[in-house]
Amino acid sequence: QSVLTQPPSASGTPGQRVIISCSGSSSNLGSNAVNWYQQLPGTAPRLLIYGHNQRPSGVPDRFSGSKSGTSASLAISGLQSADEADYFCAAWDDSLNYVFGPGTKVTVL
Amino acid sequence: QLQLQESGPGPLKPSETLSLICTVSGDSISSAYYWAWIRQPPGKGLEWIGNFYYTGTSYYNPSLKSRVTISVDTSKNQLSLKLNSVTAADTAIYYCARQSLRSLGGFLDFWGQGTLVPVSS
Repeated sequence: QSVLTQPPSASGTPGQRVIISCSGSSSNLGSNAVNWYQQLPGTAPRLLIYGHNQRPSGVPDRFSGSKSGTSASLAISGLQSADEADYFCAAWDDSLNYVFGPGTKVTVL
Repeated sequence: QLQLQESGPGPLKPSETLSLICTVSGDSISSAYYWAWIRQPPGKGLEWIGNFYYTGTSYYNPSLKSRVTISVDTSKNQLSLKLNSVTAADTAIYYCARQSLRSLGGFLDFWGQGTLVPVSS
């Protein structure tokens, strides 16, 4: 059972904006940066957002992150079929364990 | 461009020891990053196993700590993972990745392609 919680699924039509939530506690999201990963089917995860809202080189600005207190969210604007993937939030926990959320499967309708 | 490649023995039987190697190219394993192992059971989520800094500092997932050893060979630019007494529950795709310092958020910015390790009698 994950210490971070995410909805199991989210969906939208092309062009829509989808928001994925990630909820934690004071020992993880409340005191450490949140990172987001995208995993396309059959591939390794890829870093999407780090430090709450920073994008690595090559990640489109359609992806954005935010954090408030012990919750974080990932927004995907202008949803595309290529965005169909699993999305995981993650953060250090004060128990010195790096924890992942269970993942949210995004479907483009 | 940084690349990581996992390699390992293939299928294991319960109680055996899982041993994996991650070969790093395009960066020194002695750089200012941790090097981590993450696993993913088929069809399930990600689980961080632990990481290692070339000076010897390491962190492990408390749920696996008693069975795991992570080390680096700086001369070969390789990261290794040993997991003792495996069971079917250890069947997973095992990934190695570069991990930033905790003070920077601990993000995993480069990943290997992963290697599937089945455990079955």
